[in-house]
Amino acid sequence: EAGVAQSPRYKIIEKRQSVAFWCNPISGHATLYWYQQILGQGPKLLIQFQNNGVVDDSQLPKDRFSAERLKGVDSTLKIQPAKLEDSAVYLCASSLDRRITGDGYTFGSGTRLTVV
Amino acid sequence: KNQVEQSPQSLIILEGKNCTLQCNYTVSPFSNLRWYKQDTGRGPVSLTIMTFSENTKSNGRYTATLDADTKQSSLHITASQLSDSASYICVVVRGPGGATNKLIFGTGTLLAVQP
Repeated sequence: EAGVAQSPRYKIIEKRQSVAFWCNPISGHATLYWYQQILGQGPKLLIQFQNNGVVDDSQLPKDRFSAERLKGVDSTLKIQPAKLEDSAVYLCASSLDRRITGDGYTFGSGTRLTVV
Repeated sequence: KNQVEQSPQSLIILEGKNCTLQCNYTVSPFSNLRWYKQDTGRGPVSLTIMTFSENTKSNGRYTATLDADTKQSSLHITASQLSDSASYICVVVRGPGGATNKLIFGTGTLLAVQP
């Protein structure tokens, strides 16, 4: 089966600019996650969707970050305006459902964002 | 507090040697424990998934152990190869398994295999 697709792979922007990342989960996966991984740290959950509804966005900096999954399939994460500390790898993951008990939880390759 | 701690933070070994990475957790309730390999600039890839009742699980040259009583896990790599150079992340899934569960990530062990 095809994996979790993310684009772009790399992005360099200046601070205060806007940027958007795209994720297409594995077909049939109802749950989609966006993570932020700063160099040398483990991934931090930003937002979790179940179909097209938000399950958890408690760690999403809502003053500058937004995400949507309008049709319950692919998703977009946006940062506006970007800050230097937003430099990180943004990972998308998807799973069959929210229980995460089996091996149906898969990460994409990520988007490496550099803010200068 | 739900935490996952890994040691060592980084490790350098010679090609062909074995190594063991450690993971201690305080996550409750426990659903399952996962080891991931993350190459530089790539997303994490699952190596093993262990439930409460499993003590040992192997995936090729990777063998994971779990002691649910002491809340400790290890990942043993046998006959290391240059391609094993990566970050290894221990992840504990918190939850009863019947509702929304949450992944608790360790900060990873950075392994470098030298020729």
